[in-house]
Amino acid sequence: AQKVTQAQTEISVVEKEDVTLDCVYETRDTTYYLFWYKQPPSGELVFLIRRNSFDEQNEISGRYSWNFQKSTSSFNFTITASQVVDSAVYFCALSAWRDDKIIFGKGTRLHILP
Amino acid sequence: DAMVIQNPRYQVTQFGKPVTLSCSQTLNHNVMYWYQQKSSQAPKLLFHYYDKDFNNEADTPDNFQSRRPNTSFCFLDIRSPGLGDAAMYLCATTIAGTADEKLFFGSGTQLSVL
Repeated sequence: AQKVTQAQTEISVVEKEDVTLDCVYETRDTTYYLFWYKQPPSGELVFLIRRNSFDEQNEISGRYSWNFQKSTSSFNFTITASQVVDSAVYFCALSAWRDDKIIFGKGTRLHILP
Repeated sequence: DAMVIQNPRYQVTQFGKPVTLSCSQTLNHNVMYWYQQKSSQAPKLLFHYYDKDFNNEADTPDNFQSRRPNTSFCFLDIRSPGLGDAAMYLCATTIAGTADEKLFFGSGTQLSVL
């Protein structure tokens, strides 16, 4: 069975602070994909990143960075120098290789305070 | 330009009155999904089509049906909506088997049941 756990239900930080969103996953598959999606108040889920299970390199994209550690089954997401526009619900998700299904965690609601 | 289009954005129906939600895509993707998202919860996969092959999740109620008459369109039919079916319904697409596989989401249809 696959499972994604986002233990942080809601986080509030002041603008310009760094914030890390945690994601822990469970899967029996040896090959799988991990995702992060952003859901702003408008409701549409926006793709942020996809990571293959065999690629443990950390990734940085502007103010966003992702730390993938297979040893702890974690795929954490850090926003550096947060901005008010980063306020949204962030979902971590998992799919197995050759599986069409993507399973989502419960999401973390992030508030960036001005 | 929107690539996954869901209509209507808001839908109100009465308890027990059948309702159909629609999704269309201009991406020519072979996989289409329907997710149900209740307030402050993760999107929950109801079913998906891989080309014409329908894949129902084991815990999707029989009250929910789907049709995919062609590649571009997919419909979600709720035969007898109950109060518990009030939710955001998200349509998503992907093209399976590509290196950059990710879900493209529509803006969702917010369903209210009176």
